[in-house]
Amino acid sequence: IVMTQSPATLSVSPGERATLSCRASQSVGSNLAWYQQKPGQAPRLLIYDSSTRATGIPARFSGSGSGTEFTLTISSLQSEDFAVYYCQQYNNWPPMYTFGQGTKLDIK
Amino acid sequence: QVQLVESGGGVVQPGKSLRLSCAASGFTFSTFAMHWVRQAPGKGLEWVSVISYDGSKTYSADSVKGRFSISRDNSKNTLYLQMNSLRGDDTAVYYCARGSARIGTFDLWGQGTLVTVSS
Repeated sequence: IVMTQSPATLSVSPGERATLSCRASQSVGSNLAWYQQKPGQAPRLLIYDSSTRATGIPARFSGSGSGTEFTLTISSLQSEDFAVYYCQQYNNWPPMYTFGQGTKLDIK
Repeated sequence: QVQLVESGGGVVQPGKSLRLSCAASGFTFSTFAMHWVRQAPGKGLEWVSVISYDGSKTYSADSVKGRFSISRDNSKNTLYLQMNSLRGDDTAVYYCARGSARIGTFDLWGQGTLVTVSS
């Protein structure tokens, strides 16, 4: 399953809303996660099952979608939110998990 | 504290082998599936391999199947990745990651170890 994220880069001002998209080449149901990665750091799990926030993730992060179209929304961008975001599907069995190529969210 | 610490990375020639380790602490290692995920320089994430909590089941990406082998020693709280027949496109930071309760996702990551395959 190929995951395609858009846009590749998104420039947004602090305090504004950011909307990131992820498309799967075939249906993955709701088996979709989002990760945040800052420079020089490991990724961090934000969202799983398309819309469930992981432990400790602020409410400004929300996910939606099912099937092949998914969205990550950050409602009011904070300085610490500027990073690269990856979607990941986990619908296969046996496991053959795949990530999108990432969306870089930078400061406008 | 709860953490994963990888080691064993370095520079290796094409065709050679390398073994990575991941030491877990702060949680009951033997109850979690564990994964390896890699990231080529400046590129995205690629899932590599998974091992079940007891080591009885393993699965790998097609790109490494037959060359890489994942294993674990629950008595030592350590995960391993044996990498054979290394190629240039195996150059990456290798992360170990804990499988979360939601199977297929990764809720704890190490800091990564860099493997460079070059002559």
